[in-house]
Amino acid sequence: NAGVTQTPKFQVLKTGQSMTLQCAQDMNHEYMSWYRQDPGMGLRLIHYSVGAGITDQGEVPNGYNVSRSTTEDFPLRLLSAAPSQTSVYFCASSQTAVPGETQYFGPGTRLLVL
Amino acid sequence: GDSVTQMEGPVTLSEEAFLTINCTYTATGYPSLFWYVQYPGEGLQLLLKATKADDKGSNKGFEATYRKETTSFHLEKGSVQVSDSAVYFCALSVANSKLTFGKGITLSVRP
Repeated sequence: NAGVTQTPKFQVLKTGQSMTLQCAQDMNHEYMSWYRQDPGMGLRLIHYSVGAGITDQGEVPNGYNVSRSTTEDFPLRLLSAAPSQTSVYFCASSQTAVPGETQYFGPGTRLLVL
Repeated sequence: GDSVTQMEGPVTLSEEAFLTINCTYTATGYPSLFWYVQYPGEGLQLLLKATKADDKGSNKGFEATYRKETTSFHLEKGSVQVSDSAVYFCALSVANSKLTFGKGITLSVRP
């Protein structure tokens, strides 16, 4: 099992550019989510999905879109990048959406928006 | 809303010292509580968890007890090692698997 994989590992964007951060898991997990990690702020939830075709907003969804067409993949789209979106992005998955489930995190994507 | 408060860091200890990292929470329901660890350059991984009051989570010599009366989930280890140097996050989950994280604390262990 590869677990949760994320690509790219590092990306530099100019303000206004768009891009997609890829996330995939091979554990047949129902639940997937995206977090951003900023210094001194912990991790904050951007979007999540409880299954294919179902997505919902988290704490900081503005400027990001998601879709879940398959169980395995959960891409995060930045429509028009802004410097405030400079961050480290983590994708996570769990077997189900039960609150006590263990989340498995990917290695992260470091994004710099100039 | 739900929130997690961790003690301020960073923390620097000598090898074999005792470790306590404080964590308190506010939640509207009955949360599950977690400690996640992030080693340098890596993603987060679960260290331990507890899903109901008075449960004790333990792993790799670390322990934490879910105290509903004090809304706390403090992390302890009797003898830290250099390899324990990492960032530690306390987190809770009430609805779905959505995690609410504390700000994290950096632990450095000196040989």
